[in-house]
Amino acid sequence: GNSVTQMEGPVTLSEEAFLTINCTYTATGYPSLFWYVQYPGEGLQLLLKATKADDKGSNKGFEATYRKETTSFHLEKGSVQVSDSAVYFCALASGGSNYKLTFGKGTLLTVNP
Amino acid sequence: NAGVTQTPKFRILKIGQSMTLQCTQDMNHNYMYWYRQDPGMGLKLIYYSVGAGITDKGEVPNGYNVSRSTTEDFPLRLELAAPSQTSVYFCASSYSTGDETQYFGPGTRLLVL
Repeated sequence: GNSVTQMEGPVTLSEEAFLTINCTYTATGYPSLFWYVQYPGEGLQLLLKATKADDKGSNKGFEATYRKETTSFHLEKGSVQVSDSAVYFCALASGGSNYKLTFGKGTLLTVNP
Repeated sequence: NAGVTQTPKFRILKIGQSMTLQCTQDMNHNYMYWYRQDPGMGLKLIYYSVGAGITDKGEVPNGYNVSRSTTEDFPLRLELAAPSQTSVYFCASSYSTGDETQYFGPGTRLLVL
């Protein structure tokens, strides 16, 4: 079956530091890949996505590239801000007719001023 | 456009009690989902629906029931609450074709004592 493995947290960084959160996946076929973000006390919201190999998703300074050869979708940001403190979830969609998402366990990021 | 709304925000139940978690979306999405989020465990799919009158089980359906009589509403029913159902519950919705992005509600925190 499908699975997503994320870097264990928590991750603590200083403001303006470089961020990488690793994500690898196992899936049949050609899944779509997502990063969702959950701010404290809120629901999940889409951060970025990529639907095919070598696609790069980007939003709010975050980027992730769909690497089929390494089955990875690592999240990066060049300079984090305090407001980026949140839980980040990597996910994949199994396609077909249901578009069910399989989530990783989430990575808590704390950015200190 | 309110998106996905959930009620209540928080509830305490006694063991054996029942309750319904409400979920409504105003985006005319055909697909709707219920997830539970346990600390450090990511999100697990409980039930999903591909349209009014059609529902199916996800990964962790035991102890829950759903119905989908309209496109907008997708209530989740707990018949005999157990401590293992203490969790945060998220409802989500998505388009049926062309875009697998799921849109999440703010969540319902449930405590079973």
